[in-house]
Amino acid sequence: QVQLQESGPGLVKPSDTLSLTCTVSGYSISSGYYWGWIRQPPGKGLEWIGSIYHSGSTYYNPSLKSRVTISVDTSKNQFSLKLSSVTAADTAVYYCARDLRGTSYYFDYWGQGTLITVCS
Amino acid sequence: QSALTQPPSASGSPGQSVTISCTGTSSDVGGYNYVSWYQQHPGKAPKVMIYEVSKRPSGVPDRFSGSKSGNTASLTVSGLQAEDEADYYCSSYAGSNNFLPWVFGGGTKLTVL
Repeated sequence: QVQLQESGPGLVKPSDTLSLTCTVSGYSISSGYYWGWIRQPPGKGLEWIGSIYHSGSTYYNPSLKSRVTISVDTSKNQFSLKLSSVTAADTAVYYCARDLRGTSYYFDYWGQGTLITVCS
Repeated sequence: QSALTQPPSASGSPGQSVTISCTGTSSDVGGYNYVSWYQQHPGKAPKVMIYEVSKRPSGVPDRFSGSKSGNTASLTVSGLQAEDEADYYCSSYAGSNNFLPWVFGGGTKLTVL
């Protein structure tokens, strides 16, 4: 059974960089597929942030691209998100998920999500 | 403002059927058969219920069905049960050359009366 688990600080100060890691178990990232980040502001809908292929190639939401970096560490079976210059508008639950782009085109396995609050 | 348009709410009594719509454009919903639907209970992660417009992942009851006509996709829940009360989000892949490859709807809160 594929499982994903987000980890990172729950509180980030405005203008700082948000850093999150997603640890995958039950499947080796290096075996394939894209791996993505999706966020959900409190009481609002879902927003795709970006995804990374196991080889390291990335594609990002253009509206966030200038502030987003997604990387992968296949030795630890993890992938990470960095979002710079955060503001209150970045407060959200952040999910990591397996992105089936190139095969069935949906997100099949999701982490439980982690709430990130941007506050001084 | 979400890229895909969903009604904010829908409701039905136990045993009834309810249909939730998801309207996009020819660049996303209308251009690809890659519409998916997610169910989200409060405080939980989204769970895929339908993918590629009408396919059900293993374990999803056949009470859930999906369809598409032009730029509008639909999710139908038949034989409503109390546990179907949740938020539902549609999503579409919009192509690697599109401005935004993945788009989501704003969500529909389904209430079982």
